[in-house]
Amino acid sequence: DTEVTQTPKHLVMGMTNKKSLKCEQHMGHRAMYWYKQKAKKPPELMFVYSYEKLSINESVPSRFSPECPNSSLLNLHLHALQPEDSALYLCASSQAPPASTDTQYFGPGTRLTVL
Amino acid sequence: QKEVEQNSGPLSVPEGAIASLNCTYSDRGSQSFFWYRQYSGKSPELIMFIYSNGDKEDGRFTAQLNKASQYVSLLIRDSQPSDSATYLCAVNGSNDYKLSFGAGTTVTVRA
Repeated sequence: DTEVTQTPKHLVMGMTNKKSLKCEQHMGHRAMYWYKQKAKKPPELMFVYSYEKLSINESVPSRFSPECPNSSLLNLHLHALQPEDSALYLCASSQAPPASTDTQYFGPGTRLTVL
Repeated sequence: QKEVEQNSGPLSVPEGAIASLNCTYSDRGSQSFFWYRQYSGKSPELIMFIYSNGDKEDGRFTAQLNKASQYVSLLIRDSQPSDSATYLCAVNGSNDYKLSFGAGTTVTVRA
């Protein structure tokens, strides 16, 4: 099973709201990722967790706050977002190095609209 | 910084033809190479990965890797309208979390 699930599918929020995106995988992967994707662009890496520890933060603004409560779950907490943050937010998971394969599997994404 | 370039699209092919997608990368230390398919409004779906020089076939898809030329390609045989999508080439280094994506090539299969 190569399934990564994400909730919600769609989210509309105002600039003063606080919301969270959720991601779950049961493949035993120990690396999990958040990406942001704008229309007609490739995914852009935001954060990487490896063995539940934040290992990469791609200089993401602090209004995005990731959390990894356990090896299967990944959250992205959103606060005081801007309209330009509207995008498709993708979660992915993979085996963590050292590993025989580093294939990343993507979830279905959350379509976020910031008003 | 790994750079990945894909042949500019869009690519339009008739149904039943072969679609050929090309990708070059700048980092000679790259170890893993992936092709993702992304339908409009959906998330990327892995269709092929390749680690070794040569060809790898999976159904109607063939990935080809040439590390000396820093080139990876994807062939879609007997193209179907359902193959119409954007294809993303992605490259990873050894023990590296960071996938570098190409800009994507949009393929349209004409019925």
